Amino acid sequence: GAGVSQSPRYKVAKRGQDVALRCDPISGHVSLFWYQQALGQGPEFLTYFQNEAQLDKSGLPSDRFFAERPEGSVSTLKIQRTQQEDSAVYLCASSLAWSSPQHFGDGTRLSIL
Amino acid sequence: AQKVTQAQTEISVVEKEDVTLDCVYETRDTTYYLFWYKQPPSGELVFLIRRNSFDEQNEISGRYSWNFQKSTSSFNFTITASQVVDSAVYFCALSLGETSGSRLTFGEGTQLTVNP
Repeated sequence: GAGVSQSPRYKVAKRGQDVALRCDPISGHVSLFWYQQALGQGPEFLTYFQNEAQLDKSGLPSDRFFAERPEGSVSTLKIQRTQQEDSAVYLCASSLAWSSPQHFGDGTRLSIL
Repeated sequence: AQKVTQAQTEISVVEKEDVTLDCVYETRDTTYYLFWYKQPPSGELVFLIRRNSFDEQNEISGRYSWNFQKSTSSFNFTITASQVVDSAVYFCALSLGETSGSRLTFGEGTQLTVNP
């Protein structure tokens, strides 16, 4: 498909487990963003990549959150030792350039039991 | 720090009514972009429009129109002759200039329900 692809669509994990969420951006898009959306709220910024460089990670809530984009295309958001407050929808977005509109994937709904 | 406020949490209208969604923003930057996104029940955020801070011209696209007023820091969105398919959560968002990496700051969203 031509859009941003995220997997898995749903993820259930027990508290304390590690999880990895994948984002496949639109081909050729330089910029990639991760957002966290709690139920009933607007998305909140987590981190930003330009190609393989992570230029802003100021939104990551703790050192349990880690993101990478080693080859400048696919990105993985990893959460270690998950806690219940990590339950949310994690959205990935990509854009052609820094000023271009961001195009979002369907998100991964993460539930921590 | 920047902020986006969407004071209307929920709006309910009857099909064919016009509806306006309000958005007020705060930023000290002179260069910024404003956006509207639609989030249907499927969850994907759909891009609707982007405006830059130097272009205050209002825009119309079919049944959608946007009113950008820097004097009141507002960027309101009007749907004319609403339809049931317009039911969704609508988000207003703000991004700053290049040095800020264009991260989006979203409002809390407005849930629009259009009843037949």
